[in-house]
Amino acid sequence: DQQVKQNSPSLSVQEGRISILNCDYTNSMFDYFLWYKKYPAEGPTFLISISSIKDKNEDGRFTVFLNKSAKHLSLHIVPSQPGDSAVYFCAASISAGDYKLSFGAGTTVTVRA
Amino acid sequence: DVKVTQSSRYLVKRTGEKVFLECVQDMDHENMFWYRQDPGLGLRLIYFSYDVKMKEKGDIPEGYSVSREKKERFSLILESASTNQTSMYLCASSAGQGDNEQFFGPGTRLTVL
Repeated sequence: DQQVKQNSPSLSVQEGRISILNCDYTNSMFDYFLWYKKYPAEGPTFLISISSIKDKNEDGRFTVFLNKSAKHLSLHIVPSQPGDSAVYFCAASISAGDYKLSFGAGTTVTVRA
Repeated sequence: DVKVTQSSRYLVKRTGEKVFLECVQDMDHENMFWYRQDPGLGLRLIYFSYDVKMKEKGDIPEGYSVSREKKERFSLILESASTNQTSMYLCASSAGQGDNEQFFGPGTRLTVL
């Protein structure tokens, strides 16, 4: 049973607008979360992370929000650019030092020019 | 530039064949991982290794084994390939010791006929 869920398999957004990707988790022991980005024919690359002691982390155009009580996190991309078209995976671990990551199914983002 | 390489980008094998997938990392990382990626299921952990000759089962180890004889190399073995093992296989590594960001290889697309 998947402990990390990305319920939207795809998202289409116009260039310059905001992309919002959502992720829900069921394991209350998770307290470190990561987002990965994957282009076709390449491996996933790390994008941004957040620890449960924070509710927001920002890196340039990318911001991750964490709502621990709702077991929900979201990734905001502002403004969206054509190069952001990719599959985005949400991942979670029990601590920042835990070896294992549990991944969601991914959301495919398409940015329209 | 950090690098995780996988021996093949595409592989076609027959049912019942023994298959070896090789992964090499040049970052002196402690931890190495094998995942498979399937549509709608995201990345699922098959096996991981936290040290040379040490391994642990992930979420879906059935039908697979692994070998880590050297720190930089982690092999995934399909003892007798079956059609339901047709998938994208991704290798990853992480430094460990409190840093669980994983670096991925480009993946091997395995087709079992």
